[in-house]
Amino acid sequence: GAVVSQHPSRVICKSGTSVKIECRSLDFQATTMFWYRQFPKQSLMLMATSNEGSKATYEQGVEKDKFLINHASLTLSTLTVTSAHPEDSSFYICSAVDRVRGQLTGELFFGEGSRLTVL
Amino acid sequence: AQSVTQLDSQVPVFEEAPVELRCNYSSSVSVYLFWYVQYPNQGLQLLLKYLSGSTLVESINGFEAEFNKSQTSFHLRKPSVHISDTAEYFCAVMKNTGFQKLVFGTGTRLLVSP
Repeated sequence: GAVVSQHPSRVICKSGTSVKIECRSLDFQATTMFWYRQFPKQSLMLMATSNEGSKATYEQGVEKDKFLINHASLTLSTLTVTSAHPEDSSFYICSAVDRVRGQLTGELFFGEGSRLTVL
Repeated sequence: AQSVTQLDSQVPVFEEAPVELRCNYSSSVSVYLFWYVQYPNQGLQLLLKYLSGSTLVESINGFEAEFNKSQTSFHLRKPSVHISDTAEYFCAVMKNTGFQKLVFGTGTRLLVSP
């Protein structure tokens, strides 16, 4: 099946630093990727929709300058948490739409997630 | 807008017993429906989906779900659970008009004990 890889899987950083999380579609091209945030024992909340070659679309309440999203190629999207604070600690999950098969299946493929801990 | 309700936050069950995880949705347009499973510290894996056609869909590991349009439900069932089925299960909907975001329910933790 289609594979979406996230890196790093775990990251610990100091408050005030920036952290970049990568999301790669390994065996398909993804014109659209989604970034979700999951708090402990809660559901996934969509943060933003990332479209290759254009600006991301952020959900209401998500700070654009705080969570920078770049979708520079058909296989890579990055999420940068700028000036991270302890309240940004969370599980971040990306998902990608297969540009070809997705039209038929409607299926999103999810990465393994990245756990961010801000000290 | 779409919304998903999973009324049960946690469902404890004994091994080999049947289980049903409930999911109800709300939408003014037609939707695709999904069940995802999440094991501890992992991402989500698609369990099964309903796009069109037969309202009963099955997964390879014995789960099934039935789309009921009149009741706006997509409950997940398994006739006999295993310890390894212990996980978090998320129901999700997507508008069927192209690539849209998934809207997730709050999840149901299935706890299977011996």
